[in-house]
Amino acid sequence: DAGVTQSPTHLIKTRGQQVTLRCSPKSGHDTVSWYQQALGQGPQFIFQYYEEEERQRGNFPDRFSGHQFPNYSSELNVNALLLGDSALYLCASSLRGGPDTQYFGPGTRLTVL
Amino acid sequence: QKEVEQNSGPLSVPEGAIASLNCTYSDRGSQSFFWYRQYSGKSPELIMSIYSNGDKEDGRFTAQLNKASQYVSLLIRDSQPSDSATYLCAVPDTGRRALTFGSGTRLQVQP
Repeated sequence: DAGVTQSPTHLIKTRGQQVTLRCSPKSGHDTVSWYQQALGQGPQFIFQYYEEEERQRGNFPDRFSGHQFPNYSSELNVNALLLGDSALYLCASSLRGGPDTQYFGPGTRLTVL
Repeated sequence: QKEVEQNSGPLSVPEGAIASLNCTYSDRGSQSFFWYRQYSGKSPELIMSIYSNGDKEDGRFTAQLNKASQYVSLLIRDSQPSDSATYLCAVPDTGRRALTFGSGTRLQVQP
């Protein structure tokens, strides 16, 4: 049973660049949620994709955008990177858009220099 | 905006003791509660969920919920050094799609 996978594992970018992170949900799951976790903090919700649509969005600027593909995998795009975007980006998968039993992937560590 | 509060710790307990981790939440309408364990440099791992007042036991872990006091706790019996991690409390937000997390409590189990 394949768990949640994310790529890449680590990424280093410079200010102003753009980045794309990828996520494949757990087998049987159809919903992907993205979270940002700064050092020493709990994860913060960015947005959720279900049925290829953004269903809910957290308090993040439009520089953060995403997409869900027909196979339920998802991408997170961040434009015009800022130093403050350095964080662990987590993807969580679940069923039918609900928050219950969200399983997290290993995360992508983004460093912005 | 829902709030979830946790003591950041570190909470230090000797091996074999009971570790008690606490969490308070602001929304009286919350119906489900989750505890995640996060090892340093790793992603959160779901260890317990609880929906009803009272206790729910799973192995060495017991989750306790008191909706009247807006309080949820996690007890770890016979603590082991491998339990040393940050424990995150999470509550579904108003839209019922996202989880709102506390900042986590760091637990250190001393051998």
